[in-house]
Amino acid sequence: GNSVTQMEGPVTLSEEAFLTINCTYTATGYPSLFWYVQYPGEGLQLLLKATKADDKGSNKGFEATYRKETTSFHLEKGSVQVSDSAVYFCALSENAGNNRKLIWGLGTSLAVNP
Amino acid sequence: ETGVTQSPTHLIKTRGQQVTLRCSSQSGHNTVSWYQQALGQGPQFIFQYYREEENGRGNFPPRFSGLQFPNYSSELNVNALELDDSALYLCASRSSGTPYEQYFGPGTRLTVT
Repeated sequence: GNSVTQMEGPVTLSEEAFLTINCTYTATGYPSLFWYVQYPGEGLQLLLKATKADDKGSNKGFEATYRKETTSFHLEKGSVQVSDSAVYFCALSENAGNNRKLIWGLGTSLAVNP
Repeated sequence: ETGVTQSPTHLIKTRGQQVTLRCSSQSGHNTVSWYQQALGQGPQFIFQYYREEENGRGNFPPRFSGLQFPNYSSELNVNALELDDSALYLCASRSSGTPYEQYFGPGTRLTVT
C-alpha cells in the first residue's frame, strides 16, 4: 500500500540555520503531496502542497519539490526562526475520486534555538 | 469565515464506555474526514463523509462509526472504548471543488482509563 517515510527527529537548529526535512513516499499512480505543520497546542495546518511531478510548493519561506524520479518531497527553508519550532508532517493524498484520504508520515519535531 | 471547530476539547472515559465527538465543518465544505493521532505518531485515517454518506474508511473496527448532518457537521462515535483508543481525534473538512485543501480542527484529546 501507499506510505510516507520521514526523517526521524527531533531536529534542533540555531536561528538562521538551513533546514531540510526528508520525505520519501511509496504510491501507485500519481498522488498529491503535502507538508502540514502542527504548532504546540494547535491543530494541523497545511503548509504547502504539490499536485504533480516537478511542481514546487512554497509558503512562509518553506519550499518542497515533487520529485517523481526519486519519489521524494523534501522540505527546505533557507533561514529558520524560533517561531518555526513545531512538528512537520509529510502526507500524500490518494487521488481516488472524491475519497482523497491522507496518508501521513510520523512527523518530525523541529526546535529552533535563539 | 469560521474555521473547523471540534468539541469537546478534552474528554476522559473509562474502558467499555461509549463516546461521541463533534465537528463543525468550515462554511461551504461538504466533505468531512476523521483521523486518529496517537501520541508521537502521524494521523491515521478513520473515515470520510460526503453529503451524509460514508465514502471511505480506514483500517478501524466497526465500533468506530460516524454521522454527517445536512449542515455538513459530523459526529464520531466510538463504542466499547479500549485503552488504545486514547488519542487526539482530528476532524478535517474540505469542499469537493477544492480536493487538495483540507482544513483541520484543533482536535479532541480522548483519554481512556
